[in-house]
Amino acid sequence: SQTIHQWPATLVQPVGSPLSLECTVEGTSNPNLYWYRQAAGRGLQLLFYSVGIGQISSEVPQNLSASRPQDRQFILSSKKLLLSDSGFYLCAWSPYGAGTQETQYFGPGTRLLVL
Amino acid sequence: AQKITQTQPGMFVQEKEAVTLDCTYDTSDQSYGLFWYKQPSSGEMIFLIYQGSYDEQNATEGRYSLNFQKARKSANLVISASQLGDSAMYFCAMREDQAGTALIFGKGTTLSVSS
Repeated sequence: SQTIHQWPATLVQPVGSPLSLECTVEGTSNPNLYWYRQAAGRGLQLLFYSVGIGQISSEVPQNLSASRPQDRQFILSSKKLLLSDSGFYLCAWSPYGAGTQETQYFGPGTRLLVL
Repeated sequence: AQKITQTQPGMFVQEKEAVTLDCTYDTSDQSYGLFWYKQPSSGEMIFLIYQGSYDEQNATEGRYSLNFQKARKSANLVISASQLGDSAMYFCAMREDQAGTALIFGKGTTLSVSS
């Protein structure tokens, strides 16, 4: 069966510091991978998605970036965090090529607090 | 205009009763998929049920069913025989065929189940 891991689970970082959140998927090959952010009490906002190694699409302009160095690894980064980067970050995967019925499966998330 | 609208910020139900969570959507695509996710206090997004735009029958998964009314563009989630563990945030989401892999979420409904 497929599993998705995220770490760290919780992170407190000062403004201006760098960020690296990691997501890995097990039990599947060539998945689509996604990074979402959820502000407190709100819905999910898609940040990045990837359909293959080195292929990253950005949905919103911001000071965050994403990379996919390996097939089942997705990394969310920032060189300098802003207060507005605080939130709950969720990684998700879906089977490649399933079209509109493609279901996304989420990891446990990382709670980021920027002070 | 919002693509996914969930008009109920909070819903309350007693154990063993059924509850309906509302979701309306807006799309001009003929091919699209509709999803419901549950988010307990732990934060993880749990996939519940999927309905395709061409599916003639309403989707069902155990105690969950999706009341799909295509002409009204609604995709309400029905939870039968509510349990205390159903207390969580519930999100409706849509993927449009022309939008690629993007999954658009509503703002969610908080369900509270009491004994």
